[in-house]
Amino acid sequence: AQSVTQPDIHITVSEGASLELRCNYSYGATPYLFWYVQSPGQGLQLLLKYFSGDTLVQGIKGFEAEFKRSQSSFNLRKPSVHWSDAAEYFCAVASNNDMRFGAGTRLTVKP
Amino acid sequence: SQTIHQWPATLVQPVGSPLSLECTVEGTSNPNLYWYRQAAGRGLQLLFYSVGIGQISSEVPQNLSASRPQDRQFILSSKKLLLSDSGFYLCAWSVGNSNQPQHFGDGTRLSIL
Repeated sequence: AQSVTQPDIHITVSEGASLELRCNYSYGATPYLFWYVQSPGQGLQLLLKYFSGDTLVQGIKGFEAEFKRSQSSFNLRKPSVHWSDAAEYFCAVASNNDMRFGAGTRLTVKP
Repeated sequence: SQTIHQWPATLVQPVGSPLSLECTVEGTSNPNLYWYRQAAGRGLQLLFYSVGIGQISSEVPQNLSASRPQDRQFILSSKKLLLSDSGFYLCAWSVGNSNQPQHFGDGTRLSIL
């Protein structure tokens, strides 16, 4: 069965520190991969997407993600976290017209 | 540019009352439209999606229904709300099939008393 796993429910990092949010998937075919961010009480905003080509993709707000086929992963990274990055982050995977979202990782940023 | 509007932003309803949440998209034609529910601390559950006027696919059998009376209008309804219908409801649209990025509205917080 197709699935998306975000192993970390909650992560806390200090402002200025680096960040990596994990996403693993289980799909039969090569999937399309996405990361979204959700601020409290709002909808989801697309950060970046991977369809094909270069496995390191750049997104908005200084985020990047790397597709690793051998590990079935699409981890989100940011070199230096800002207080405004505190939010919920969702990984999403689509294949054969079926998009699934992970359960999300809540990011807290310490001053 | 494309925009998506959801209303109301917040709604408090008694158990057994009807529901109508509306979502409209501007700036695009023939979008795919989606309704999701997000329970506290959980991910998104796809409720309905639509590829065209009058075409609705239900993902989860439940107390809710959806309709698409116009190309860029998607409505989520219920005849009698249950306590379990509480949650955050999100509408989204995409161009083309469901492999494409989805763009979300700001959501409706529904509380059932």
